[in-house]
Amino acid sequence: GENVEQHPSTLSVQEGDSAVIKCTYSDSASNYFPWYKQELGKRPQLIIDIRSNVGEKKDQRIAVTLNKTAKHFSLHITETQPEDSAVYFCAPEGGANNLFFGTGTRLTVIP
Amino acid sequence: KAGVTQTPRYLIKTRGQQVTLSCSPISGHRSVSWYQQTPGQGLQFLFEYFSETQRNKGNFPGRFSGRQFSNSRSEMNVSTLELGDSALYLCASNPGGLNEQFFGPGTRLTVL
Repeated sequence: GENVEQHPSTLSVQEGDSAVIKCTYSDSASNYFPWYKQELGKRPQLIIDIRSNVGEKKDQRIAVTLNKTAKHFSLHITETQPEDSAVYFCAPEGGANNLFFGTGTRLTVIP
Repeated sequence: KAGVTQTPRYLIKTRGQQVTLSCSPISGHRSVSWYQQTPGQGLQFLFEYFSETQRNKGNFPGRFSGRQFSNSRSEMNVSTLELGDSALYLCASNPGGLNEQFFGPGTRLTVL
């Protein structure tokens, strides 16, 4: 199976600052790299994903970068807002439709 | 479209009992995956069903089993419950393939 490590486990930033979360994985055959956001008491929801044929993808204040050679991908959130406070999970693919979730990063945005 | 639903939402059992959880996927979705979520452990993959066949399985003991029906609804069964089985059990559906997983609200299982 896929070995997934996510860093940092907790992150506090001031509102308006940027946040970066890194995810490393072990399976060099992985081709799909999503990030999920889980707000307190709610279900995880996909916020952005990237496939192995591109190195970066942006969606407004959120971006994901992929380094397949080094086997890591990162979530970048710019101009953070209090509603960005949540737990973020990376979930690289480890087989047919099989996602391996990291242990999560708790992001707190301080107003 | 209606979202993924799970029943029951909360469940309290005692050690040694067994439990069955149910998941109804989004209409048209043929893949259903199950995850166990505990504090500090993230989401751990249990198994995935596609068109009534178990396609993938995580590293959980045989006490954890599942099945999928012809209408894509899925059930998960845990036999001989242990205290450590207390967790939030989430199911997720998608049409199939490497795409967004749509999660249900989860079933919170407490084993006493």
